[in-house]
Amino acid sequence: AQTVTQSQPEMSVQEAETVTLSCTYDTSESDYYLFWYKQPPSRQMILVIRQEAYKQQNATENRFSVNFQKAAKSFSLKISDSQLGDAAMYFCAYRLYFGNEKLTFGTGTRLTIIP
Amino acid sequence: DGGITQSPKYLFRKEGQNVTLSCEQNLNHDAMYWYRQDPGQGLRLIYYSQIVNDFQKGDIAEGYSVSREKKESFPLTVTSAQKNPTAFYLCASSMPGLGYEQYFGPGTRLTVT
Repeated sequence: AQTVTQSQPEMSVQEAETVTLSCTYDTSESDYYLFWYKQPPSRQMILVIRQEAYKQQNATENRFSVNFQKAAKSFSLKISDSQLGDAAMYFCAYRLYFGNEKLTFGTGTRLTIIP
Repeated sequence: DGGITQSPKYLFRKEGQNVTLSCEQNLNHDAMYWYRQDPGQGLRLIYYSQIVNDFQKGDIAEGYSVSREKKESFPLTVTSAQKNPTAFYLCASSMPGLGYEQYFGPGTRLTVT
């Protein structure tokens, strides 16, 4: 079974600084997707970024980028120029490339932005 | 506006009563999902449906039931058999196939006393 681990329950960063959230996963599959979702205080889950395992290039979306290390099964999220609106719970998630689209989530990291 | 609606936002029930949570989407998505979220835990899959009139159990299906009679609707019933029903419930939908992410509704907070 696939598992996703987020070892940092809480993180904080000064506004405008950079922060990196960690995620590791365990799978015997070679084809899969990895996601970072954001859950602000409203509790609405919002997709931040997606990475296909077959792509060596790290995904980037504006101030958000990932460091995908397939051999190490590591998938960290870097947030640059942190803004107050980035304060949220961040969840790492995994799903198989083929087959059903079940998402397996980590336990989340609560990110606080310090003004 | 396309999206997923869940109602109500807050729901209170007495122990021993069944309760049904609503999930409707107008995104024309084929697949729909129900997740449960507890403090300190990630989301856990309860049930999912990839097509009308068909659904599969997720990781924590015991004490829950679903139906999928229409493409737009995927209601979740929390039965009295569910040992610890108080939680935050999230519904999601997606197009089936490669690369399609799941879109989430705003969630329903269920409290059973």
